[in-house]
Amino acid sequence: QKEVEQNSGPLSVPEGAIASLNCTYSDRVSQSFFWYRQYSGKSPELIMSIYSNGDKEDGRFTAQLNKASQYVSLLIRDSQPSDSATYLCAVKGRGGSQGNLIFGKGTKLSVKP
Amino acid sequence: NAGVMQNPRHLVRRRGQEARLRCSPMKGHSHVYWYRQLPEEGLKFMVYLQKENIIDESGMPKERFSAEFPKEGPSILRIQQVVRGDSAAYFCASSPGGSTNEKLFFGSGTQLSVL
Repeated sequence: QKEVEQNSGPLSVPEGAIASLNCTYSDRVSQSFFWYRQYSGKSPELIMSIYSNGDKEDGRFTAQLNKASQYVSLLIRDSQPSDSATYLCAVKGRGGSQGNLIFGKGTKLSVKP
Repeated sequence: NAGVMQNPRHLVRRRGQEARLRCSPMKGHSHVYWYRQLPEEGLKFMVYLQKENIIDESGMPKERFSAEFPKEGPSILRIQQVVRGDSAAYFCASSPGGSTNEKLFFGSGTQLSVL
């Protein structure tokens, strides 16, 4: 059973701090990794994608991938109250068709002003 | 700038009725995916379609559920004889196709409530 695990939270950080969100996955041959943000009652919105080991930065967001340890993380610098949402980690295994992503249950982030 | 369009936004059905959920992909996208999100659960893949073809239905329940993406018109997810356990948010996503590292763009979802 291929799984993606996330701490459900809530993770509470003060405004301006760094929020660190973590995700582990069970399928060692997973190839593609995605972070989605979902506001309550809204659709998931793609924030970052990462495919190779290391860091990938986009504005205030940095995705980190470590395939040997089977974890992927998302750092949000200078957190803002508008970043308060549920963050979903999604993984695509080598065997699945494109678009057949395995999602974690999400980590709820709360940024306090 | 039309994104992925889903309708209806909310759908209420009584047990035993049929539910039809519609999805129009983003302009230029030819690949459609349906996901289901149960309360307190993660998104679960259901089915992947291209025009007139079902590519991967490994996440579809074996009975009562079907999906299509006709040559003309939106993709339809059909649930026959709905039961209370079908109550969930159903999200459609689309992608341009042609890449193994596809990025999915999601619609606003249809919230199905079965009474």
